[in-house]
Amino acid sequence: DAGVTQSPTHLIKTRGQQVTLRCSPKSGHDTVSWYQQALGQGPQFIFQYYEEEERQRGNFPDRFSGHQFPNYSSELNVNALLLGDSALYLCASSDRLDYNSPLHFGNGTRLTVT
Amino acid sequence: AQRVTQPEKLLSVFKGAPVELKCNYSYSGSPELFWYVQYSRQRLQLLLRHISRESIKGFTADLNKGETSFHLKKPFAQEEDSAMYYCALVGGSQGNLIFGKGTKLSVKP
Repeated sequence: DAGVTQSPTHLIKTRGQQVTLRCSPKSGHDTVSWYQQALGQGPQFIFQYYEEEERQRGNFPDRFSGHQFPNYSSELNVNALLLGDSALYLCASSDRLDYNSPLHFGNGTRLTVT
Repeated sequence: AQRVTQPEKLLSVFKGAPVELKCNYSYSGSPELFWYVQYSRQRLQLLLRHISRESIKGFTADLNKGETSFHLKKPFAQEEDSAMYYCALVGGSQGNLIFGKGTKLSVKP
């Protein structure tokens, strides 16, 4: 089992552009959460998806949007990129019906906005 | 507001010394707390959760509601314990965690 996989690993974009990050959850998991981790900070919750709908959202602007597909994989989209969006973006998956199962994190996508 | 505070950015100890990584939280209600660890070049992973009341790799953490703390302790640190440690609180659901800024533990030989 490969666990949570994220692509790409690194990405460089210019201010104002749009970006799409991808995540495949651990086998058997149906819920995907996205986090933003700025340098020197802990991960910050962006939103969570299950059953192909956004279920919870953190304090992030509408420029951040997402999608979940029928196979449980997910995308994070960020529009009109700002320099402050430069961060490590983490995807985490879990089994919604198993409350005791821990979050499994991917290795993240490092986004640099210039 | 829900918040997790880890006051130490860096904690450096010698092998065999006791370790305590501090975590304080702000939460109205019954909190559910975790410690996550990230070893060098590895992904973030769960170390322990307070409801399990377990000891993982010699680490324990006790929830103190009076002091709103969930400090992580180990009586004898090992070099392989060197890592980044994050305390986290469940915000709205299992997948919605509020993390502290993390403490880097360095265990010297």
